[in-house]
Amino acid sequence: AQSVTQPDIHITVSEGASLELRCNYSYGATPYLFWYVQSPGQGLQLLLKYFSGDTLVQGIKGFEAEFKRSQSSFNLRKPSVHWSDAAEYFCAASGGGADGLTFGKGTHLIIQP
Amino acid sequence: NAGVTQTPKFQVLKTGQSMTLQCAQDMNHEYMSWYRQDPGMGLRLIHYSVGAGITDQGEVPNGYNVSRSTTEDFPLRLLSAAPSQTSVYFCASSFSGGAGGDTQYFGPGTRLTVL
Repeated sequence: AQSVTQPDIHITVSEGASLELRCNYSYGATPYLFWYVQSPGQGLQLLLKYFSGDTLVQGIKGFEAEFKRSQSSFNLRKPSVHWSDAAEYFCAASGGGADGLTFGKGTHLIIQP
Repeated sequence: NAGVTQTPKFQVLKTGQSMTLQCAQDMNHEYMSWYRQDPGMGLRLIHYSVGAGITDQGEVPNGYNVSRSTTEDFPLRLLSAAPSQTSVYFCASSFSGGAGGDTQYFGPGTRLTVL
């Protein structure tokens, strides 16, 4: 079965420190991969996505993600976090069909001053 | 463009009541879908539609009904609400669904409580 795993439920990072959020997927073939962010009480906003080609993908708000086929991973990174980055982050995958996205359970990011 | 809109934002129902969650998009997207979000569960697909007149079930369809009479609208009906349907519901749309890894755009959500 297709699945997306985010191993970390909560992560706490100091403001200005670097960030890495982990995501692993299990699919029959390489899926399309996405990272979404959800601020409290809000909908989901797309940060970045990977289709093919360059394995390092740049997104909005200074985020980037690296696709590693050998590790079935698509980890999200940011070199220096800001207090406004506190939110819920979701990794998602699509097999390319019409059956929508498979989401991970999310990682709650807390920023310490 | 307003993007994807959802109404209402909040709703409280009693067990057994019925209601319809509204979703509309003005981006001329063919594909629309409904997800529910529960704590610690991420988002799970309820139903989706690849175009007007065509709908299909997702991962968790039981207790929900959908129809797609126009490209713009994709309402979600709860026929007889149960406490297990307490959740936050998100509508999403895209040009082609997952085909080609198309980006899905999400509405702001409807927070539903069933007592």
